[in-house]
Amino acid sequence: EDQVTQSPEALRLQEGESSSLNCSYTVSGLRGLFWYRQDPGKGPEFLFTLYSAGEEKEKERLKATLTKKESFLHITAPKPEDSATYLCAVNAGGTSYGKLTFGQGTILTVHP
Amino acid sequence: DAGVIQSPRHEVTEMGQEVTLRCKPISGHNSLFWYRQTMMRGLELLIYFNNNVPIDDSGMPEDRFSAKMPNASFSTLKIQPSEPRDSAVYFCASSWTDYNEQFFGPGTRLTVL
Repeated sequence: EDQVTQSPEALRLQEGESSSLNCSYTVSGLRGLFWYRQDPGKGPEFLFTLYSAGEEKEKERLKATLTKKESFLHITAPKPEDSATYLCAVNAGGTSYGKLTFGQGTILTVHP
Repeated sequence: DAGVIQSPRHEVTEMGQEVTLRCKPISGHNSLFWYRQTMMRGLELLIYFNNNVPIDDSGMPEDRFSAKMPNASFSTLKIQPSEPRDSAVYFCASSWTDYNEQFFGPGTRLTVL
């Protein structure tokens, strides 16, 4: 069974204090790993897709990386508006190509 | 460019009543997904369609849940009869293909009393 574990569950940072969120996964064959951001009362917002180990994607203060067992979302010099829940999901293919398995998320709070 | 549209945004109903949630995917997307989100279980896939055909409904909790996609621009998720444990936020998402990134709607918050 595909499993996705995110850590930490919650992270509090001061504005400008860089850090990383972790997403560990166990799948039979990874077709893609996805990062989403979710604000309270809203649907998840797509951030990145990573397909193979060694791949990196960047967007503003966010950078996602992928290894064979985990992915990291690095946040550089965060601002209060980066506060949200960050979700990681994997598509393991198999007989259900479209199925995404989500982690429980990391709640990020950035204080001014 | 309109994103995924869901209606209603909030639904409050009584146990035993029928509930119908609606979704309009992004134009041109061929795959549509229904998810349920709760604090206890997180975000779970209920069912997904490719080109209007149901592909995987293994996440549908029981026979009280049904989903249809009569055309490429409309889908419904029906719960009949509803129960308090169905209370959750239901999301619809769409994508170009079933292995591309999925784009989520704003969700429907369902409360069953």
